[in-house]
Amino acid sequence: NAGVTQTPKFQVLKTGQSMTLQCAQDMNHNSMYWYRQDPGMGLRLIYYSASEGTTDKGEVPNGYNVSRLNKREFSLRLESAAPSQTSVYFCASSQGTSGRGQETQYFGPGTRLLVL
Amino acid sequence: GENVEQHPSTLSVQEGDSAVIKCTYSDSASNYFPWYKQELGKGPQLIIDIRSNVGEKKDQRIAVTLNKTAKHFSLHITETQPEDSAVYFCAASHRDDKIIFGKGTRLHILP
Repeated sequence: NAGVTQTPKFQVLKTGQSMTLQCAQDMNHNSMYWYRQDPGMGLRLIYYSASEGTTDKGEVPNGYNVSRLNKREFSLRLESAAPSQTSVYFCASSQGTSGRGQETQYFGPGTRLLVL
Repeated sequence: GENVEQHPSTLSVQEGDSAVIKCTYSDSASNYFPWYKQELGKGPQLIIDIRSNVGEKKDQRIAVTLNKTAKHFSLHITETQPEDSAVYFCAASHRDDKIIFGKGTRLHILP
């Protein structure tokens, strides 16, 4: 089992460019999450999906969109990147169906994004 | 909404000593409190968790205590080892709202 995989590992964008971060899990989990991690700010939830076909906003959703393509895949899209979106992005998944993170979350290795 | 405060932001302890990291939360409805460890260059990994119907939980050198009245919970690591050096995050969650993480504690184990 690969667990949670994320692509790409590293990306540089110019302000205004768009891109999609990909995430996939092979654990048959119901809930999936996207977080951003900034120095001194910890992990902040961007969006989550409690099940296939549903998505909900987290703490910091502005400037992002998500798609729960199927049970395995959950993508994060930046339509018009801004320097403030420079961060490390983590995808996670968990077995539960609430999307509340009330069970073990399994994190991917992260995507480091730099917006110039 | 929920707010989680974590202290200290950095902690250095001698190898073999104990380390304690503390978190407070604001929403009395929160009922699940996990702790995640993040090693350099990797994603966070759950090391221990506690639910609101339990006051203390232990797993080998790691323990977590919960005080619901005061709305705080703590991570205790005994007999620290070099591999305990990492960033630790606490979090709070309840079934009607999203999970919120603390800002993290960077733990250094000194030789």
